[in-house]
Amino acid sequence: DQQVKQNSPSLSVQEGRISILNCDYTNSMFDYFLWYKKYPAEGPTFLISISSIKDKNEDGRFTVFLNKSAKHLSLHIVPSQPGDSAVYFCAASWPQKTNSGGSNYKLTFGKGTLLTVNP
Amino acid sequence: DGGITQSPKYLFRKEGQNVTLSCEQNLNHDAMYWYRQDPGQGLRLIYYSQIVNDFQKGDIAEGYSVSREKKESFPLTVTSAQKNPTAFYLCASSMGRILQETQYFGPGTRLLVL
Repeated sequence: DQQVKQNSPSLSVQEGRISILNCDYTNSMFDYFLWYKKYPAEGPTFLISISSIKDKNEDGRFTVFLNKSAKHLSLHIVPSQPGDSAVYFCAASWPQKTNSGGSNYKLTFGKGTLLTVNP
Repeated sequence: DGGITQSPKYLFRKEGQNVTLSCEQNLNHDAMYWYRQDPGQGLRLIYYSQIVNDFQKGDIAEGYSVSREKKESFPLTVTSAQKNPTAFYLCASSMGRILQETQYFGPGTRLLVL
């Protein structure tokens, strides 16, 4: 059962335009959401995150929107640049108790969306 | 220059052989994680460790083993019991002490079966 879904495997946009990447989730316990960017044969790079107590977080060209009632978040990139071409992963977490009495913060990832920004 | 290092970048495994992937971090993070990525798939959690000398199975732990003897190191062994080991393996770490924290990833190791 996929708890974090990125339904668009790919997205193509023109340089300078807005890129909108979408992510849906099913687990209402998720309280922290992250976006990672990944180039081939490299590790993911953290981009931006949002807590469930917010509905928007902005960092330069990147803005993440969270709609808790719809269990939906989106990443907006404005303006898009060719260097933004990569796979973008949405991830979510919630604190879960461990047997030893602590908490863990496991991330659940979507399958990713390949963004291509054309010059 | 803090970060996460993984070695080797490429690793070849023969049938029936165990191989160990290295992951080291100098970020003073308590928590470390191992993920596997297959083509067209997201990242799936293999094992994680919130603290030294303790680790937990993730979603796909069968055929893998780990140890956490030092805070800086979290090696992953792919055993001969893992029938489909070819994948891109990613190590990550996080502070492990706060809620809503970010995981940071190493550059990855690609494992191929000969």
